[in-house]
Parts: sequence; structure tokens; C-alpha cells
Amino acid sequence: GENVEQHPSTLSVQEGDSAVIKCTYSDSASNYFPWYKQELGKRPQLIIDIRSNVGEKKDQRIAVTLNKTAKHFSLHITETQPEDSAVYFCAADSGAGSYQLTFGKGTKLSVIP
Amino acid sequence: EAQVTQNPRYLITVTGKKLTVTCSQNMNHEYMSWYRQDPGLGLRQIYYSMNVEVTDKGDVPEGYKVSRKEKRNFPLILESPSPNQTSLYFCASKRTGLNQQFFGPGTRLTVL
Repeated sequence: GENVEQHPSTLSVQEGDSAVIKCTYSDSASNYFPWYKQELGKRPQLIIDIRSNVGEKKDQRIAVTLNKTAKHFSLHITETQPEDSAVYFCAADSGAGSYQLTFGKGTKLSVIP
Repeated sequence: EAQVTQNPRYLITVTGKKLTVTCSQNMNHEYMSWYRQDPGLGLRQIYYSMNVEVTDKGDVPEGYKVSRKEKRNFPLILESPSPNQTSLYFCASKRTGLNQQFFGPGTRLTVL
């Protein structure tokens, strides 16, 4: 089955700096890659996603890049703010019309004011 | 309001006492899924359902059962809970053909 590795497990940045979280996946059939943000005590919330026919997607301060050849994708947050502090999860589907998502183990991002 | 609900939100129980965690969605989604979240392990899928009366195992199904008799409900059943099932549980749903999964608020279960 699919295996998703996520790095780093913790990340601290100064407010205003950029943060990058990286994930690799194993199943070349995967074609959907979402990123979820989970604040303390809350449910995961989708913040951005990308499909395999796209190399990059941006939404204001958040961007995701995908390299299908290397089987890795990354989340980029620019101009970080204290409210960006949370745990971020990447995920990959199992391809071939599967709806199953395999999640990375998460990255705890701390933005220091 | 479109939402996924779970009940109870918190539960403390003892080993071996059968329990059910309910999940309900009002968005007419075909797909529903259960995950457990443990520190350092992320979210792991327990069971999922593609539609009514169609269920399948995820990555960690041992010790759990599910049923999908109605489209809106997808209960998670622990016939004989054990301490290693202490976890935070999330239900999620999505519409067939679309990618985004919507998560419920979570159920924190402690098995003593």
C-alpha cells in the first residue's frame, strides 16, 4: 500500500519567515495530494490540495509543489503569522479511483512572534 | 449547516465494555471513513465505506467493526475495547467524484 513520509516533525520559524514541509510517497499511481491543518483540539481542515496533472498551486500565502517523477510534494507558507501555528499533515490517495488517503505523521509548526 | 457530527465527543470506559461511536453527515455523501489519531503516528484509517452496505478495511481494522445501513450514518463499534484503543477518533465523509474529505469534530476515547 501507499506509504507517506513527512519531514520535519517539528519546525519553528520567526514570524514573517517562510516555512517548508516536505512529503514523499511510494505509490506512483497516487494522483491526489491534500494538506490539512489541525489546530490544538480541533479537527483537520483542508488548506490546499493538488492533483498529479499540476506541478504547483498557490492560494495567497500557501503554495504546494509536486514532483511526480521524484514522488515528493511540499507545502510552502510565506510571511508566517502566529495563527499559522498548528500541526500540518500531508496525504496521498491510492490512485486508480481509490478514495483512501494515507497520511504523513504530521509536522508541528510553531511561529514565534 | 453542512456538517459531520460525532457522538460522544469524550468517553472513558473500561476494558471489555462494548461501545459505539456514532457518525452522521447531512451532505448526502456516499463515502465515509473512520480514522484514529495517535501522537507521532498521524491519522490512520480504520474502515471506510463507499456507499450503503459497502464497507472495507483500512490500515488498522483490528478490534473494530462498522456498519452502513443508511447513507448518513456510519457507526464505529468496539465489541471489546482494550487500552491500546485509547485514541482520538475522527469520522470523515466525501462526495463521490470529488476529492475533499470533511472531518467530524473527533471523539476522544480512553479505555482503562
